[in-house]
Amino acid sequence: AQSVAQPEDQVNVAEGNPLTVKCTYSVSGNPYLFWYVQYPNRGLQFLLKYITGDNLVKGSYGFEAEFNKSQTSFHLKKPSALVSDSALYFCAVREGGYNKLIFGAGTRLAVHP
Amino acid sequence: DTGVSQNPRHKITKRGQNVTFRCDPISEHNRLYWYRQTLGQGPEFLTYFQNEAQLEKSRLLSDRFSAERPKGSFSTLEIQRTEQGDSAMYLCASSLEVGKNIQYFGAGTRLSVL
Repeated sequence: AQSVAQPEDQVNVAEGNPLTVKCTYSVSGNPYLFWYVQYPNRGLQFLLKYITGDNLVKGSYGFEAEFNKSQTSFHLKKPSALVSDSALYFCAVREGGYNKLIFGAGTRLAVHP
Repeated sequence: DTGVSQNPRHKITKRGQNVTFRCDPISEHNRLYWYRQTLGQGPEFLTYFQNEAQLEKSRLLSDRFSAERPKGSFSTLEIQRTEQGDSAMYLCASSLEVGKNIQYFGAGTRLSVL
């Protein structure tokens, strides 16, 4: 079965500094990987996905993710964090023919002024 | 472009009561998913519809849970004889069958079973 792991419950970063939110995956076959963000009292919002192609994927709100097959990782990055980026971030992998998503436990990002 | 809509946003019920949630997907999306999210965890897949056909159900979906999508548009999720362990956020998502396969999520229905 497919799975993803987010090893950090929380990441703290100062505004303006680069941020990284880590994700590792375990899949059979080619991975289809996603990042979503969840703000309080709101649903999950899609940020970006990796299906195939360039290992550096660019997404919404200035976020990008780097796919590393040898390390089975798909870390989320942003060059300069904003206080408004503070939220819960979820990594997910697609499983099965019906495209259901298997999510990690989430990482809370706190960006301090 | 209206997104995925879920109603109600919050539901408080007593143990043993039945509850029903509704999800209205993005209009042209023929795939619809239900997930459950408990505190401190990521969403967990419950069930999937393609048009009106329910094609996959998770082991998490006990006999007390039933989902429908009668005309391939909106969907309902019913929980019978609720238990305190059913307290969670219930999320609905929809996507196109082809193309980018991105799932778009609603804001969810938060269920509290007292």
